[in-house]
Amino acid sequence: KAGVTQTPRYLIKTRGQQVTLSCSPISGHRSVSWYQQTPGQGLQFLFEYFSETQRNKGNFPGRFSGRQFSNSRSEMNVSTLELGDSALYLCASSLEDRATEAFFGQGTRLTVV
Amino acid sequence: TQLLEQSPQFLSIQEGENLTVYCNSSSVFSSLQWYRQEPGEGPVLLVTVVTGGEVKKLKRLTFQFGDARKDSSLHITAAQPGDTGLYLCAGASSNTGKLIFGQGTTLQVKP
Repeated sequence: KAGVTQTPRYLIKTRGQQVTLSCSPISGHRSVSWYQQTPGQGLQFLFEYFSETQRNKGNFPGRFSGRQFSNSRSEMNVSTLELGDSALYLCASSLEDRATEAFFGQGTRLTVV
Repeated sequence: TQLLEQSPQFLSIQEGENLTVYCNSSSVFSSLQWYRQEPGEGPVLLVTVVTGGEVKKLKRLTFQFGDARKDSSLHITAAQPGDTGLYLCAGASSNTGKLIFGQGTTLQVKP
């Protein structure tokens, strides 16, 4: 059974640009959550999607958005990139919509220069 | 706001030593998970504990869920350099549907 796949693994962008990250959950999992991880702040919750609907949202500005498709694949978008957006972005998939075991992808390392 | 506090934040020990990492909260969780993360990689699920007082063993790792389901501990016996990494606990709240993560414990085991 394939795990959670995130693409791309590494990304370098310039301030002001926008970026789209992709996540394919484990087959059969319908919940996808996104997290931002930085050395100083730890794992910060961005948002969670279940059956194409955003179920929970963290305290991030509107520049951070996401969506989920009918096949459960999810994308997150960050517009008008800032230097502080440099981080490891992690996607986690879960079987159900409520808080259950989360399985993480390898992450996308975003560097904003 | 639900919070999970992990302690210690950093731990550097010699190979062969024992250690315990704690995860505490004032909130009750329906389950609690422990993850291990290596640099540049995603966290890997080690174990899920569900019942208050539950103890689970994974080779040299022993996980315990507090009786009141508010806290948990991870004990490593005879630590090895391969145990080096970031250990994260995460509490699942059936009320909010959220997974709350602790700040993590960075463990370094020196050969």
